[in-house]
Amino acid sequence: DVKVTQSSRYLVKRTGEKVFLECVQDMDHENMFWYRQDPGLGLRLIYFSYDVKMKEKGDIPEGYSVSREKKERFSLILESASTNQTSMYLCASSTTGTSLNEQYFGPGTRLTVT
Amino acid sequence: QKEVEQNSGPLSVPEGAIASLNCTYSDRGSQSFFWYRQYSGKSPELIMSIYSNGDKEDGRFTAQLNKASQYVSLLIRDSQPSDSATYLCARFFRGYNKLIFGAGTRLAVHP
Repeated sequence: DVKVTQSSRYLVKRTGEKVFLECVQDMDHENMFWYRQDPGLGLRLIYFSYDVKMKEKGDIPEGYSVSREKKERFSLILESASTNQTSMYLCASSTTGTSLNEQYFGPGTRLTVT
Repeated sequence: QKEVEQNSGPLSVPEGAIASLNCTYSDRGSQSFFWYRQYSGKSPELIMSIYSNGDKEDGRFTAQLNKASQYVSLLIRDSQPSDSATYLCARFFRGYNKLIFGAGTRLAVHP
């Protein structure tokens, strides 16, 4: 089974803090994704990566950056957290092999910025 | 214009009935489609993927794809209260290597 893990289930941070969200997958997937999910807005793609040290902007990259130094790990960084970044953050991974882009999600991190 | 459209619901069905969830899309070039189930407060869980026109069955779930009419459906037979969740439809965006998600349909199965 695909296993995607995220470093925290719940996180509370203060405005202006630098926040790191970590995601690890154990299936040797090439592609990794960061989404946020908000009521009424659905899933929105922040950043994704299809290889180590590669990154692509998604639909809402402003205020975020990412890092992928190893194939299994994809980090989301909030440089200076703001209250409008309070959300559920979801990491996902996929392979471009036989699974034809099926994405598997981690359990999510519910981030509250106060 | 949204690229993947779903009725937000709630879709309410009695236990044991067939639940029919629908999704339409605007890109004729789409090749791969996915259905995810998401329980409240949890992350999306992949339940079905479909790539060819026609039906694909997996247990109580059947995915139907009609590329000419640009819709994909998910049928849940013998619906159970445990099927109550939000169901997300997604299509693969070729060339950008990402999925486009619909906003989801909330399904409520009542005893």
